[in-house]
Amino acid sequence: ELKVEQNPLFLSMQEGKNYTIYCNYSTTSDRLYWYRQDPGKSLESLFVLLSNGAVKQEGRLMASLDTKARLSTLHITAAVHDLSATYFCAVWGDRDDKIIFGKGTRLHILP
Amino acid sequence: EPEVTQTPSHQVTQMGQEVILRCVPISNHLYFYWYRQILGQKVEFLVSFYNNEISEKSEIFDDQFSVERPDGSNFTLKIRSTKLEDSAMYFCASRYGRGQEPQHFGDGTRLSIL
Repeated sequence: ELKVEQNPLFLSMQEGKNYTIYCNYSTTSDRLYWYRQDPGKSLESLFVLLSNGAVKQEGRLMASLDTKARLSTLHITAAVHDLSATYFCAVWGDRDDKIIFGKGTRLHILP
Repeated sequence: EPEVTQTPSHQVTQMGQEVILRCVPISNHLYFYWYRQILGQKVEFLVSFYNNEISEKSEIFDDQFSVERPDGSNFTLKIRSTKLEDSAMYFCASRYGRGQEPQHFGDGTRLSIL
């Protein structure tokens, strides 16, 4: 059964710093998603990663996928307070019609 | 941009009562899903639905749960006899089906069981 693990689960960081969130998954998959969730809100799609070596960037966020290592990273560059949210990675199992979410990383950026 | 819409945004129900959560997926989408998120926890898959039948369901989706697409636009989740532990945010999602796009999520219905 597909398992998705994120770390860290909680991250408090200063504005202007860089950091990386890691997402490991247990079985083969060629589709990985990153979502952002603000408190009490829905899930906003950030990135769709579809192949080994895929890298996508949007503003201060950059996501990458290594399907051989079953690892995705979400890198935050020069964090700003507006990026405070919970970030989820989610993986589509090869034979499944569903996505499995990690537990989420609650990111708190201090001004 | 087309959206998945869910109603109501908040539902308060007495334990043991039936509840129906409603969703209107994006109009040309073919695959529909329900997920739930207990407060502060991760998002959990409940059920997927395609071509008027359930294609996959999780262990959470027991006999108390059912889904229906009663017409061409709505997709509903029914919980027959609610329990306290059903309190959660329920998200509906849909996708067209070409495989590469992400699922599009609605804003969710917060279900509170008293």
